[in-house]
Amino acid sequence: DTEVTQTPKHLVMGMTNKKSLKCEQHMGHRAMYWYKQKAKKPPELMFVYSYEKLSINESVPSRFSPECPNSSLLNLHLHALQPEDSALYLCASSQERGQGAPSYEQYFGPGTRLTVT
Amino acid sequence: AQKITQTQPGMFVQEKEAVTLDCTYDTSDPSYGLFWYKQPSSGEMIFLIYQGSYDQQNATEGRYSLNFQKARKSANLVISASQLGDSAMYFCAMRDRGAAGNKLTFGGGTRVLVKP
Repeated sequence: DTEVTQTPKHLVMGMTNKKSLKCEQHMGHRAMYWYKQKAKKPPELMFVYSYEKLSINESVPSRFSPECPNSSLLNLHLHALQPEDSALYLCASSQERGQGAPSYEQYFGPGTRLTVT
Repeated sequence: AQKITQTQPGMFVQEKEAVTLDCTYDTSDPSYGLFWYKQPSSGEMIFLIYQGSYDQQNATEGRYSLNFQKARKSANLVISASQLGDSAMYFCAMRDRGAAGNKLTFGGGTRVLVKP
């Protein structure tokens, strides 16, 4: 099973709202990722969690707040977003150091299409 | 810094024919990994194939094969016997295995449209 699930599939929120994106995987992966993808562009890395600890933050504005409650779950909390934050948000997971496979290929979820009004 | 370049923004291919998608990369790291992903219009990124920098043989996965030319820093994807379902955006990516964790750098993508 190489499934990564994300909820919700679509989200429309106002600039004063607080919402959360959720991601779940049951592949035993210990690395999880958030990406942002604008239309017709490649995904851009936002955050990396390694063994439930934040290991990479690509200088993402503080209105995006990631959380990794356990090894299977990854959340992205959203607050006071701007219209330019409208995008497809992709979650991914992979094996991490100590888990064996040298390729560390990332498996992606279907994404959440976010619209900020 | 790593860089991935895909020079073909879009391609048409006839059903049942083969198509080659170009990818060149630049890195100073002797150990790296190269990936190809498919992204249909639904949005999900689907992992297709992986090539490690020390792998002696070109990677193959079903109808997908990777033409790895290390000296030329190219990692082209070949899709054989194209099907209508192959119509999608294709991204080449390189893994940066830093101390803090894995980072994937993506190329700009190539849109493939398979014609019946």
